[in-house]
Amino acid sequence: DQQVKQNSPSLSVQEGRISILNCDYTNSMFDYFLWYKKYPAEGPTFLISISSIKDKNEDGRFTVFLNKSAKHLSLHIVPSQPGDSAVYFCAASAEGMRFGAGTRLTVKP
Amino acid sequence: DSGVTQTPKHLITATGQRVTLRCSPRSGDLSVYWYQQSLDQGLQFLIQYYNGEERAKGNILERFSAQQFPDLHSELNLSSLELGDSALYFCASSFTSSDTQYFGPGTRLTVL
Repeated sequence: DQQVKQNSPSLSVQEGRISILNCDYTNSMFDYFLWYKKYPAEGPTFLISISSIKDKNEDGRFTVFLNKSAKHLSLHIVPSQPGDSAVYFCAASAEGMRFGAGTRLTVKP
Repeated sequence: DSGVTQTPKHLITATGQRVTLRCSPRSGDLSVYWYQQSLDQGLQFLIQYYNGEERAKGNILERFSAQQFPDLHSELNLSSLELGDSALYFCASSFTSSDTQYFGPGTRLTVL
């Protein structure tokens, strides 16, 4: 069941630059999308979400973009900070939630 | 602190044994979800309960079972344990199936 895909297992960026994490989905019934952040030995924590009626949602340094026609979701972090280093999971919801495999972001000082 | 609690934090047991993992959802949440995260793998959805009833099943083995009690806490039972069952097991809760899920800190199970 690969309805939500994060094709990049890892991403490395320099502190202060932009981090862009990508996510693709196949189910057109998904109507709510979320990003979770996970540090080692901790549970995932909710970061930001977007409804399918919007194409952008911003919260401080974090912006999520939704392209419904392409069934593509992205998370932009700018400027990136070393504390942002974590695994980021994309999730999509429609009568139940599906998670991507995660992308490990490393922000180098 | 997400408000979701899980016990125990760590569990070490032997192959063939049976263990029970416990989860208390956030106050007011009716849905409880169980996930498995093996080494360097994503979150694998196991099962969901809503207000005491099973709502959805994912990649849950027949050796595993779960239930949600009237006070809404949930237990995940793992039996005939194998080495490959070693993983982090997360519980999450939400008000409805479509709402944001809030995760507990997880239980690390090690099967020796």
